[in-house]
Amino acid sequence: GAVVSQHPSWVICKSGTSVKIECRSLDFQATTMFWYRQFPKQSLMLMATSNEGSKATYEQGVEKDKFLINHASLTLSTLTVTSAHPEDSSFYICSATRLGSTSNQPQHFGDGTRLSIL
Amino acid sequence: QKEVEQNSGPLSVPEGAIASLNCTYSDRGSQSFFWYRQYSGKSPELIMSIYSNGDKEDGRFTAQLNQASQYVSLLIRDSQPSDSATYLCAVKGSAGTGFQKLVFGTGTRLLVSP
Repeated sequence: GAVVSQHPSWVICKSGTSVKIECRSLDFQATTMFWYRQFPKQSLMLMATSNEGSKATYEQGVEKDKFLINHASLTLSTLTVTSAHPEDSSFYICSATRLGSTSNQPQHFGDGTRLSIL
Repeated sequence: QKEVEQNSGPLSVPEGAIASLNCTYSDRGSQSFFWYRQYSGKSPELIMSIYSNGDKEDGRFTAQLNQASQYVSLLIRDSQPSDSATYLCAVKGSAGTGFQKLVFGTGTRLLVSP
């Protein structure tokens, strides 16, 4: 299998709080992890691509200083939403591809984190 | 023009019927195509992948790819109420465009009535 675990699954916190979300590949080593955001009734939008040991590549319009990504090992990437505000409330989903994957290999998704900022 | 386009639906089919979901893409160099199913409030799960022209069958699911027309489809035979979900078409970019990135369509909502 290719299991990706995401934690926490649900976060409710006050405006101004920083929130850390973890994404772990449980049974494989992940070359690359991806972070997506999904607003209600919309599709997944890629926020950033995270490679182990290097800086993340952010998509246009995504603030790198607000959404801090750390990919410290081949099995763990973290996304920290700094000073979160109500407009950051969304469904955040990570995915991972196996070490050594060719372009044909699919991404395996975590269960997502629902973030609600009051 | 959107990179990956899908009809948002909803597509309503009766139980037991064939559901046909369609997707077009703009990057002619794309070579990897995926269909994901997403239930409400859940993350996407991979249903099918296809990498060459023609049909690929897996159980009740058949993916069809026509690269000349830049068109991908998913057929679901013997549709069940449990198939009711949003189906996302995803395309990997060609080399030089961040080839591991997936571009998602907006999804087609499928409703299978008992």
